[in-house]
Amino acid sequence: EAGVAQSPRYKIIEKRQSVAFWCNPISGHATLYWYQQILGQGPKLLIQFQNNGVVDDSQLPKDRFSAERLKGVDSTLKIQPAKLEDSAVYLCASSLTGPGNTIYFGEGSWLTVV
Amino acid sequence: AQSVTQLDSQVPVFEEAPVELRCNYSSSVSVYLFWYVQYPNQGLQLLLKYLSGSTLVKSINGFEAEFNKSQTSFHLRKPSVHISDTAEYFCAVSAVGNEKLTFGTGTRLTIIP
Repeated sequence: EAGVAQSPRYKIIEKRQSVAFWCNPISGHATLYWYQQILGQGPKLLIQFQNNGVVDDSQLPKDRFSAERLKGVDSTLKIQPAKLEDSAVYLCASSLTGPGNTIYFGEGSWLTVV
Repeated sequence: AQSVTQLDSQVPVFEEAPVELRCNYSSSVSVYLFWYVQYPNQGLQLLLKYLSGSTLVKSINGFEAEFNKSQTSFHLRKPSVHISDTAEYFCAVSAVGNEKLTFGTGTRLTIIP
């Protein structure tokens, strides 16, 4: 079974530039998550989708971050304009719908903002 | 809201020695509890989870954790560690009926040969 795919794996941009990350979840997983993991911290949920609808985006900085999952499968997370404090690993994850189900994570997209 | 505290940021242990990684949580509602592991250059993987039933849960590679409601803890233990256990371990919690995971800050386990 293929896992959660993410790209690009590494990205370095200057502050005020924009960046986009792509995620392809495990086939059949209706729930998709984007987490932000800053060095030395645990992952923090940015946004959760069920199919193509947003379930929770309470911790997404909406002035600069946006995410979409138009067809209920792939998802894109965008940052514009980037700030230095956005340097982090962006983790995409997916699961079957329902509490307690195992959440499967991708390897992450490492972002450095200089 | 839920929160997780992992007091030990780094734990060095000699090979074949026992280890305990501590996790305490805070929640006003019933919870599910999880341990995730992140091996070097890999993504997070579920190690074990507690949903209900027996408070002692085990992984396939010898780790176990016990849910202690009175102490709001979910400590991870292994009686004898191996070099391959070198990784970062994250404790996480979600409210029963909610899919959102709240993670601790992680504990880096280093095995000394």
